[in-house]
Amino acid sequence: GNSVTQMEGPVTLSEEAFLTINCTYTATGYPSLFWYVQYPGEGLQLLLKATKADDKGSNKGFEATYRKETTSFHLEKGSVQVSDSAVYFCALSIGGSNYKLTFGKGTLLTVNP
Amino acid sequence: EAGVTQFPSHSVIEKGQTVTLRCDPISGHDNLYWYRRVMGKEIKFLLHFVKESKQDESGMPNNRFLAERTGGTYSTLKVQPAELEDSGVYFCASSPGPGVIYGYTFGSGTRLTVV
Repeated sequence: GNSVTQMEGPVTLSEEAFLTINCTYTATGYPSLFWYVQYPGEGLQLLLKATKADDKGSNKGFEATYRKETTSFHLEKGSVQVSDSAVYFCALSIGGSNYKLTFGKGTLLTVNP
Repeated sequence: EAGVTQFPSHSVIEKGQTVTLRCDPISGHDNLYWYRRVMGKEIKFLLHFVKESKQDESGMPNNRFLAERTGGTYSTLKVQPAELEDSGVYFCASSPGPGVIYGYTFGSGTRLTVV
């Protein structure tokens, strides 16, 4: 079946620190990969996505590269801000009739000033 | 444009009672999804509607859960009778077409606590 494994949190960083949240996946087909973010009190928002190998998704200073050879999609940001504090979810979707998302467990990030 | 709206935002019920969650998708979005996150676990897919039809309900845990989408607009998810393990956050999402292409818009969720 399909599954997503992401690093367990919580992750606590100081402002301007470098962030990496690891994500690896197992998929029966060729997945599209996503990072979603949930800020406190809000719904999940799409942060970035990549639909084929070697694609790089980027948004708000975050980046992730679709690595088929290592089945990974690690999230990175060079300099985090307090406003980046949130829960981050890695997810995949296999094309076809379902279009459902398979999520990881989520990683809570806290950025301190 | 209004987002995906879910209510109630919180619900606390006793074991054995019935609860109905509601999701109002973005107007015009034919695809509607329900997901659930149990504490500390992954967000799990429950089911997918296209208009009023259930396209995929493979994630529904058991027959205590009933989802409907009459008229292809809003959807309800009823849990009857509720059990302790049903506690979690229930998310709804909608998309105008395939979510991979068009993107999913999520609601802020309903936190259900069964005591």
